[in-house]
Amino acid sequence: ETGVTQTPRHLVMGMTNKKSLKCEQHLGHNAMYWYKQSAKKPLELMFVYNFKEQTENNSVPSRFSPECPNSSHLFLHLHTLQPEDSALYLCASSQDPRTSGKETQYFGPGTRLLVL
Amino acid sequence: GIQVEQSPPDLILQEGANSTLRCNFSDSVNNLQWFHQNPWGQLINLFYIPSGTKQNGRLSATTVATERYSLLYISSSQTTDSGVYFCAVETFSGGYNKLIFGAGTRLAVHP
Repeated sequence: ETGVTQTPRHLVMGMTNKKSLKCEQHLGHNAMYWYKQSAKKPLELMFVYNFKEQTENNSVPSRFSPECPNSSHLFLHLHTLQPEDSALYLCASSQDPRTSGKETQYFGPGTRLLVL
Repeated sequence: GIQVEQSPPDLILQEGANSTLRCNFSDSVNNLQWFHQNPWGQLINLFYIPSGTKQNGRLSATTVATERYSLLYISSSQTTDSGVYFCAVETFSGGYNKLIFGAGTRLAVHP
């Protein structure tokens, strides 16, 4: 239990569906992150939110749409995904990403997504 | 960008054996972390180690920042140590910390 929760844990969706992934952190952190982990590839950073403002969009296709209503919650809205988007999506949080070299990131358990 | 290389990619051990995992990185970094990903996907922080040596039970880690590598030692391995071990280096760009992960070492410990 890292203090970061994600729902759902597993998701199967068709290419025409719309779904959302949810992340919640109970650590009092100010920054939240979405990562994608595909088979046999390193974790890739997708989005960073710092104090509810998006500070990074790592060339992610527009079919992925993040939302951060407050510093404790982060969503990833999915629509018209492709089979190659099947992956483990991990959420993380940290105290303050502007503090260089002082804050570690804590990860949620991930949502395993399968796009048919 | 910074390259992070981990070796070996795969490792099979008999329970009780010791092992060393290596992480090389191509440029100066602010920090380095080791994670363990269990078979269910959960990433657990093991060490936050910009330099020096730290120990936590059967695990220890050493980072030599000047030579751009870090080592993770697992002693008296147990089946519960199985999973993927990731090294991630931390850089500060665009006003925030960014973790860059290696490809991982997949460890299987057999009874």
